[in-house]
Amino acid sequence: ETGVTQTPRHLVMGMTNKKSLKCEQHLGHNAMYWYKQSAKKPLELMFVYNFKEQTENNSVPSRFSPECPNSSHLFLHLHTLQPEDSALYLCASSQDIGAFNYGYTFGSGTRLTVV
Amino acid sequence: QKEVEQDPGPLSVPEGAIVSLNCTYSNSAFQYFMWYRQYSRKGPELLMYTYSSGNKEDGRFTAQVDKSSKYISLFIRDSQPSDSATYLCAMSIIQGAQKLVFGQGTRLTINP
Repeated sequence: ETGVTQTPRHLVMGMTNKKSLKCEQHLGHNAMYWYKQSAKKPLELMFVYNFKEQTENNSVPSRFSPECPNSSHLFLHLHTLQPEDSALYLCASSQDIGAFNYGYTFGSGTRLTVV
Repeated sequence: QKEVEQDPGPLSVPEGAIVSLNCTYSNSAFQYFMWYRQYSRKGPELLMYTYSSGNKEDGRFTAQVDKSSKYISLFIRDSQPSDSATYLCAMSIIQGAQKLVFGQGTRLTINP
């Protein structure tokens, strides 16, 4: 198991539902990220948090709402999603936002299906 | 035109073969180049990281960057069934998550 844990692993939700994805890291990292991975598309960065502060919102629709209460936890709150939002949502962390040489540690993702 | 192009495959080769995975890019300002490996039902993990041009070797893996051709490669020697995964290239102009651009990923299968 990696140092980044995501729950739930799978989620099916209706378009009118509200749900949250959770990410937790025990690596002592200061930066955390949400990525969206859709079939046949590159990884898309959604949000970046550095020391609990949001540093990047990559033009993500407001139906996705991130929350970072501390450097170890990251949430993605979902509401009134569309079927095209179905994808694998990956959380990642790194020592800081520029830590390319050590890479990002990804969680195993939440497979989201919107019906 | 996409900033980073990567053939999604799938690519299937016999065990022991040399595998070549490639990405092309359009932005000549990219300086940082990475390869990630993603097993089924798992998140990506960093495999190789290179800065600027040249080759970097790590065991059976070699990463190659040709900035003049805007082309990067990952070679896997003596491929094993455990190498079966999706391989993603990623690159950036500067250090910073918000500028990291991923390729689509190539699905690779090594047949015993």
